[in-house]
Formats: sequence, structure tokens, C-alpha cells
Amino acid sequence: GAVVSQHPSWVICKSGTSVKIECRSLDFQATTMFWYRQFPKQSLMLMATSNEGSKATYEQGVEKDKFLINHASLTLSTLTVTSAHPEDSSFYICSASFGGGETQYFGPGTRLLVL
Amino acid sequence: QKEVEQDPGPLSVPEGAIVSLNCTYSNSAFQYFMWYRQYSRKGPELLMYTYSSGNKEDGRFTAQVDKSSKYISLFIRDSQPSDSATYLCAMSSSASKIIFGSGTRLSIRP
Repeated sequence: GAVVSQHPSWVICKSGTSVKIECRSLDFQATTMFWYRQFPKQSLMLMATSNEGSKATYEQGVEKDKFLINHASLTLSTLTVTSAHPEDSSFYICSASFGGGETQYFGPGTRLLVL
Repeated sequence: QKEVEQDPGPLSVPEGAIVSLNCTYSNSAFQYFMWYRQYSRKGPELLMYTYSSGNKEDGRFTAQVDKSSKYISLFIRDSQPSDSATYLCAMSSSASKIIFGSGTRLSIRP
């Protein structure tokens, strides 16, 4: 149980384009979804927290206009990297929690390469 | 001082050895403690979840929490090459987001 999927698993795009990443909880309803980015050999950096139907809460230093998060249902959240630049190249991972939210279940991640 | 400290390694041990991974933390409000395993280019996978102090065992894995010392451990018995991964400790209180350690890279030599 507690399976989270992400799509796509990897994407290459040109600088200036926008990229949308989907995160789905497959067998449970996620009250909260989280978006992280991870650079090579580094730990997870929380970007934002979103609850279904409300605006996402962004961590300090994360531009909300650049990283658009939509959490339209209890099983789907999307992250759109707008006007992507090479420095946005990273591994983006979503996670989801339910109930009290004391633990999170992670998706497999999306590798983004901006040329 | 970081809220959660974890030795990044790398840690290399021979197959069959007992592995000990540790984290220390500073926030005494933390009540929920987790260990995640992350293979290269994959998302983290929840291994162990413990509430408050004590031990929890699952197969070859044992998680220990010592709240008085603010110290948590993960033990892996009879380690296998397939255990080679990065192990992340994580913890939270009922009111806070989860805080992750930086991860320890573990390599099991055949």
C-alpha cells in the first residue's frame, strides 16, 4: 500500500520552456503532498507543501511564481517549472501523506535536464 | 546547529557484517522517527517508522530511538550488496514538517 507515482520519470527541455510534473497517490487519498528537489549526493530540500484545494505553502527562498503547484484533488498534485533554466536541472521528488501526516510516502522522482 | 545531524559517509562494510547508522537531533519535541532508503536516481523508500522511544524490528532491520540522548540508530544484520544505498533518517513532531538528515551512503562489498 501507500504507492505514489510520478510522471514523467525524466524530461529534457530547452531553456525558457515550462515543464509540468505530476504526482499521484495510487491507493490512498493524500491530504497533503510535498515537493522536494535533490541535487547529486545531497539530501532532500523541501520546496513546498500543499493541501488539496488550498494554496501551497512555499519554503523560504523558493519562488512561487517559478514553481507553480496545483493540488486539485486528493490523489493528484502537479508542479510546473515555468521558464526553466539550466540551474533548474535537478531531481524533483514528490511525497504524500494521509491522516495525521506523521510520515510521507515518496514517488520515484523526476529527473529534469534543462539545456 | 542543524536540527538533524547525520554522518554522510561513505560507509563501506563487507557482506554479512552488521551495519550501524546513526543520527542525532536537537529538537526535544520530535516524537516520530523514520528511516528511508534511497537507491541512486530513485525516490526514498520508507524502511522503518517509530513513535517515541524504544526499539522496532523488521526482518534484518532494527530501529532504536533514545529520546533522552536525542539519538536514533538503524541496524542492518547480515548485510547484503542489495543494501547498498543512501539511508536517510527523518523525524517530526505532531506540529512540524518532517526534517531529514543529509543521508549516509552505504556500500556493502561482496
